[in-house]
Amino acid sequence: VLTQSPGTLSLSPGERATLFCRASQSVRGTYLAWYQQKRGQAPRLLIFGASTRAAGIPDRFSGSGSGTDFTLTISRLEPEDFAVYYCQQYGSSPWPFGQGTKVEIK
Amino acid sequence: QITLKESGPTLVKPTQTLTLTCTFSGFSLSTSGVGVGWIRQSPGEALDWLSVIYWNDEKLYSPSLKSRLTITKDTSKNQVVLTMANMDPVDTATYFCAHSRGDYIWGGSGYTHASYFDFWGQGILVTVSS
Repeated sequence: VLTQSPGTLSLSPGERATLFCRASQSVRGTYLAWYQQKRGQAPRLLIFGASTRAAGIPDRFSGSGSGTDFTLTISRLEPEDFAVYYCQQYGSSPWPFGQGTKVEIK
Repeated sequence: QITLKESGPTLVKPTQTLTLTCTFSGFSLSTSGVGVGWIRQSPGEALDWLSVIYWNDEKLYSPSLKSRLTITKDTSKNQVVLTMANMDPVDTATYFCAHSRGDYIWGGSGYTHASYFDFWGQGILVTVSS
């Protein structure tokens, strides 16, 4: 089970966002991914391997962590970053997603 | 360029079997390490991982739905098919298929894949109602 916090993050453009994902058991090999989903759209891969940015993802997005605790940081929020973010572990089947963190405009 | 598209019925009745097809391009399911998975999302809810099939025909299923799911591939047609039996109104959701890539790792009782979803289809909304 993956638990994301906070459920909602209310911030202004330009601010720093820090999102957390905690696993109930240690994630094998830092096999953790982060996705961004905007309303009405499919998710987009941001980070895999806990800290590797996917192709085309701006460097304001960064991931860190190992074991049971992982973090996604958006250094300076741009207007297009307001969305829902999900973490997913894929080191051992099944591969659950977290319940999501909504980043909304304050 | 990798693209995927889901197709199938948008309305099914309770107890019926849902059959969804993912048609893809830009990659081959015979390439080592490649997989295609299915994920669903009920309205207003989080993502729910269902199943994934790999180039070597390895199949993984969500434990809570395993008895109802079957995933198959047709490499020559570039398609992956997911069937879900005994549909219920709670299965109303948008169903996504996605390209999967990653590592081939020792899973304790054998080698298995550890892969993330890097390209997604647009999704298909399936409503279960009589």
